[in-house]
Amino acid sequence: AQSVTQPDIHITVSEGASLELRCNYSYGATPYLFWYVQSPGQGLQLLLKYFSGDTLVQGIKGFEAEFKRSQSSFNLRKPSVHWSDAAEYFCAVGASSNDYKLSFGAGTTVTVRA
Amino acid sequence: DTGVSQDPRHKITKRGQNVTFRCDPISEHNRLYWYRQTLGQGPEFLTYFQNEAQLEKSRLLSDRFSAERPKGSFSTLEIQRTEQGDSAMYLCASSRDSYNEQFFGPGTRLTVL
Repeated sequence: AQSVTQPDIHITVSEGASLELRCNYSYGATPYLFWYVQSPGQGLQLLLKYFSGDTLVQGIKGFEAEFKRSQSSFNLRKPSVHWSDAAEYFCAVGASSNDYKLSFGAGTTVTVRA
Repeated sequence: DTGVSQDPRHKITKRGQNVTFRCDPISEHNRLYWYRQTLGQGPEFLTYFQNEAQLEKSRLLSDRFSAERPKGSFSTLEIQRTEQGDSAMYLCASSRDSYNEQFFGPGTRLTVL
């Protein structure tokens, strides 16, 4: 079964600084990877996904993620953080493009300081 | 496309009572999912519907839990004889066939006293 580890529980970053959130997955074959963001009182919103092809994936809100098979990682990055990026971020893995059962990491809470 | 909606948004109940939550998926989405999220954790898969058929239930879904999706449209999740351990956010998501991009609703936060 697939699983996801997000090593950082909480990250604080200054507005305008860069952000990187780590995600490591465990799965025997090529995984299908996702990053979701959850703001307080809101549902999860998909930021980006990786199914195949180019390992650098662009998403919404200026986020990107890079799939590195050798490191079993799918880290999320943003060059310049805005105060509105303060939220909880979840990495998730599915076993195939048709898999209905996503496995989520425990999440990373991002705080943005002025 | 108005997104996935869930009702109620918050529910406070006493231990032993039954509760029912509703989820309205995005129209024309054939797949509907229920997840549970506890504090400090990511969502955990509970069950999944393809149209009106419930195709899998997680072992997290005890006999006190039942989910339905009549006519393949909205879905309900019922918890009987609630326990304090049932306190969590219950999330619903939907997706089209052959896509794994799941669109999530805002969730129903259940507090069992």
